[in-house]
Amino acid sequence: EAGVAQSPRYKIIEKRQSVAFWCNPISGHATLYWYQQILGQGPKLLIQFQNNGVVDDSQLPKDRFSAERLKGVDSTLKIQPAKLEDSAVYLCASSSWGGQNTGELFFGEGSRLTVL
Amino acid sequence: AQTVTQSQPEMSVQEAETVTLSCTYDTSENNYYLFWYKQPPSRQMILVIRQEAYKQQNATENRFSVNFQKAAKSFSLKISDSQLGDTAMYFCAFRYNFNKFYFGSGTKLNVKP
Repeated sequence: EAGVAQSPRYKIIEKRQSVAFWCNPISGHATLYWYQQILGQGPKLLIQFQNNGVVDDSQLPKDRFSAERLKGVDSTLKIQPAKLEDSAVYLCASSSWGGQNTGELFFGEGSRLTVL
Repeated sequence: AQTVTQSQPEMSVQEAETVTLSCTYDTSENNYYLFWYKQPPSRQMILVIRQEAYKQQNATENRFSVNFQKAAKSFSLKISDSQLGDTAMYFCAFRYNFNKFYFGSGTKLNVKP
């Protein structure tokens, strides 16, 4: 079974530029999450999708961050314009519940963003 | 609001020894799940162990076991026979209600040869 795929793995941009991250969850997983992980801290939820609907985006800085999950499969997280404090690893995760699925999170390898 | 607290930012253990990582949480929910995740340096976060709150028996996965104290809202992870490959950040996580997860701030574990 293929895992959660993310790209790019690394991105370096200057402040005020834009960047986009892509995530493809495990096949059949209805729930998709984007987390921001600043060095030395735990993951912070940015947005949670259930199929193609948003469940929680209360901590998403909507003036600069946007995310979509068209057709309820893969997802894109965009930052425009980027700030220095956006430097972090952006983790995508997916989960499923029911049957043999036990609701745990499966993470991708993350996309490391450096804003100069 | 749900909160997860890991009070040990960093710990060290000698190879082959046993170490316990602490986690406490605060919730008014009765049905929930607790997890320990491992994040090796520059590598993917993976699940170590899972505990359902309705189960009284503590979960065990090979060298990893938990001490789940529901009344005290405590969920510690014990690693026996520590190995160099156990060096990583460990995150305690809490899940309830429609797949909402909350993470602690993590404990950095260093296993020394």
